Amino acid sequence: DAKTTQPNSMESNEEEPVHLPCNHSTISGTDYIHWYRQLPSQGPEYVIHGLTSNVNNRMASLAIAEDRKSSTLILHRATLRDAAVYYCIISGGGADGLTFGKGTHLIIQP
Amino acid sequence: ETGVTQTPRHLVMGMTNKKSLKCEQHLGHNAMYWYKQSAKKPLELMFVYNFKEQTENNSVPSRFSPECPNSSHLFLHLHTLQPEDSALYLCASRGLDRGNSPLHFGNGTRLTVT
Repeated sequence: DAKTTQPNSMESNEEEPVHLPCNHSTISGTDYIHWYRQLPSQGPEYVIHGLTSNVNNRMASLAIAEDRKSSTLILHRATLRDAAVYYCIISGGGADGLTFGKGTHLIIQP
Repeated sequence: ETGVTQTPRHLVMGMTNKKSLKCEQHLGHNAMYWYKQSAKKPLELMFVYNFKEQTENNSVPSRFSPECPNSSHLFLHLHTLQPEDSALYLCASRGLDRGNSPLHFGNGTRLTVT
């Protein structure tokens, strides 16, 4: 799996947008970009994934750079319940188990 | 409700005990995974099963023994564990198109070895 680089932590205010960056410069053409988050005492939860085009769902938006070497997870209006560790992972068609890094610890201030 | 159910949620066992963790999914997925998450560490992939066949074992000690009787069920049999094996054990599953198929996790079993 291609390696990803994320900031260790980020802080934001409630009801403001949050942009979580991820670099994945060694991504290959068939690799998907996945985002998961993990709340305390729970298993990781799928957030969103994409290949080339930007993606939107009810939880978040995923903006993918044109060269695909970076992406940004966008939470449009953060709530206290969004406080979690967010993982950016590259998922190749050939590889099987996903490799998790340390992720970004998102802190939301009321 | 994640679609992947793990039991028990909490388990305390002595080093000489034998216990099993259970994972069940009815999402129609054909790949199942065991991950280990120790305190303040990233998730570590332990085992991968595809269509009930083990396809990956990431140098896991033999005191951890997985079993996959069918595509919906996955077990992790534990015996003679060490205190450093205390961790959150997570099960996950996903569908056929690996890259385009998200992982679905259970909420894990919090294991304490005394």
